[in-house]
Amino acid sequence: GENVEQHPSTLSVQEGDSAVIKCTYSDSASNYFPWYKQELGKRPQLIIDIRSNVGEKKDQRIAVTLNKTAKHFSLHITETQPEDSAVYFCAASASGGSYIPTFGRGTSLIVHP
Amino acid sequence: IAGITQAPTSQILAAGRRMTLRCTQDMRHNAMYWYRQDLGLGLRLIHYSNTAGTTGKGEVPDGYSVSRANTDDFPLTLASAVPSQTSVYFCASSDSRDTQYFGPGTRLTVL
Repeated sequence: GENVEQHPSTLSVQEGDSAVIKCTYSDSASNYFPWYKQELGKRPQLIIDIRSNVGEKKDQRIAVTLNKTAKHFSLHITETQPEDSAVYFCAASASGGSYIPTFGRGTSLIVHP
Repeated sequence: IAGITQAPTSQILAAGRRMTLRCTQDMRHNAMYWYRQDLGLGLRLIHYSNTAGTTGKGEVPDGYSVSRANTDDFPLTLASAVPSQTSVYFCASSDSRDTQYFGPGTRLTVL
């Protein structure tokens, strides 16, 4: 089955700095890669996703890049703000049909004001 | 109901007791899931259902059972709770675009 590794487990940055979280996956059939943000005590919510037909996707201060050859994808947050502090999860799956996502173990991002 | 809901919000349970966690969605999503979240271990899939009437086992199914009698409801049952089942449980559903929508979670403590 699919195996997703996520690094780092904890990331501490100063407000205004950039943050990068990286994930690798094992199953070459995976073609859907979402990122979820979970604030303390809340539910995970989708913030951005990418499918295997594109290499990069951007939404304001967040972006995701995908390298299918190397089987890795990354979340980039620019100009970080204290409200970006949360746990971020990556996931990988084969889209459509029996969609069973495999999640990374999460990255706790702390943005210091 | 708007979106996906779970009940109860939290529960303290004696070991050996039977417990059912409820999950209901009104988005008409075909697929539904149950995860448990433990510190440092992320979200681990317990059971899933691709459509009403079908269920499947995830990564950590032992000690849990599910049913999917209709599209909206996906209850998770612990037949005889053990302390290692202390966790936060999230129900989720997904649409045809594969996005997962999570419920607010149930915090379960087994003593």
